[in-house]
Amino acid sequence: AQTVTQSQPEMSVQEAETVTLSCTYDTSENNYYLFWYKQPPSRQMILVIRQEAYKQQNATENRFSVNFQKAAKSFSLKISDSQLGDTAMYFCAFMALSGSRLTFGEGTQLTVNP
Amino acid sequence: GAGVSQTPSNKVTEKGKYVELRCDPISGHTALYWYRQSLGQGPEFLIYFQGTGAADDSGLPNDRFFAVRPEGSVSTLKIQRTERGDSAVYLCASSLTVAGDPETQYFGPGTRLLVL
Repeated sequence: AQTVTQSQPEMSVQEAETVTLSCTYDTSENNYYLFWYKQPPSRQMILVIRQEAYKQQNATENRFSVNFQKAAKSFSLKISDSQLGDTAMYFCAFMALSGSRLTFGEGTQLTVNP
Repeated sequence: GAGVSQTPSNKVTEKGKYVELRCDPISGHTALYWYRQSLGQGPEFLIYFQGTGAADDSGLPNDRFFAVRPEGSVSTLKIQRTERGDSAVYLCASSLTVAGDPETQYFGPGTRLLVL
């Protein structure tokens, strides 16, 4: 079974600054995918970024990038130039290539302050 | 195009009653998933459909929970004899699966179920 741990229940950052959200996971699988999802108060989970474990290069999507450390089983999310609209709950999630279910962490509530 | 839609948005029911929650996936998506999200927690997997069949229902907590997808599109999650502990947000997601490449799951806005 896989587990995903987000050790920061809450984070805050000033607008335009950079913030990093932490995520660690545990698995015996060798082939898998990792995701960061954003959930605003509207409840809709929105994909932020995705990383394939077989790729050494860290994924980037505009202001969002990850630091994927496979040996350490760590997958952090960096948000640059934070915007007020980034305020949301952020979930780290794992999916084994052999399966289809997502396993989520407990979430980190990010607040961007003006 | 339209995203995943779920109805109702909110549902209040009494303990012991039967409820149905509906999910309309993105058109053409063959895979459909149900998750349950309790307050302050991440979503937990319930069941996964590939087409009309349940490919993995190992996340259903007990036999009061059942889901169907008769035509491979719309899905209904059914909960019998509801209990207060069933109160949660029920999320549906869909994806366009390609062999050997798990596609991104796109989520609906969820149904908030409150059992009194």
